[in-house]
Amino acid sequence: ILNVEQSPQSLHVQEGDSTNFTCSFPSSNFYALHWYRWETAKSPEALFVMTLNGDEKKKGRISATLNTKEGYSYLYIKGSQPEDSATYLCAPNAGGTSYGKLTFGQGTILTVHP
Amino acid sequence: SAVISQKPSRDICQRGTSLTIQCQVDSQVTMMFWYRQQPGQSLTLIATANQGSEATYESGFVIDKFPISRPNLTFSTLTVSNMSPEDSSIYLCSVESTSGRAVLDEQFFGPGTRLTVL
Repeated sequence: ILNVEQSPQSLHVQEGDSTNFTCSFPSSNFYALHWYRWETAKSPEALFVMTLNGDEKKKGRISATLNTKEGYSYLYIKGSQPEDSATYLCAPNAGGTSYGKLTFGQGTILTVHP
Repeated sequence: SAVISQKPSRDICQRGTSLTIQCQVDSQVTMMFWYRQQPGQSLTLIATANQGSEATYESGFVIDKFPISRPNLTFSTLTVSNMSPEDSSIYLCSVESTSGRAVLDEQFFGPGTRLTVL
């Protein structure tokens, strides 16, 4: 069982603020890291899947970095908008016999105030 | 991508009863997963359901409590048996993308079933 920690647990920001949060995971047996956004009453939506140390991915105003050696990933949101309000989940995948099995952190609940 | 529907979307059940949740996918997929999120907890994998074989359960979950069917490549059911208030959760099914990119495949989730057990 992987120990996945996300911080902060919740975050309130004003519209236009930039923000970031952290996902920590065991650096051993690492295969891939997934980031998801989960809006209330909707399905979790995949943001990024990252595999390589130093990887950086971007989708619009959202970007993520990955450090597999020290076991962490950062998610950044530039110029937050109210529609960014959601729970952001990270999930490492250990691969091998655990292929496909995602171990989720508790998530960071982001609220963007207009 | 895959479009996934779940039924029911929500339910309120009495202690001791059972509820079967259905998951339908618009394309054939090999692996389907069932997760739950208890209040204040992380999304936790219950089991992996492969067509033609018994489901593989994660530690802490057993077939008698969460029987799973996978009759074909587009459908699965999860039953929550002999429910107690501790089973109150959001239950989600997910499938892997069929892009063929192996580890880079993201998972697609259904909208979830919100279960309250009184």
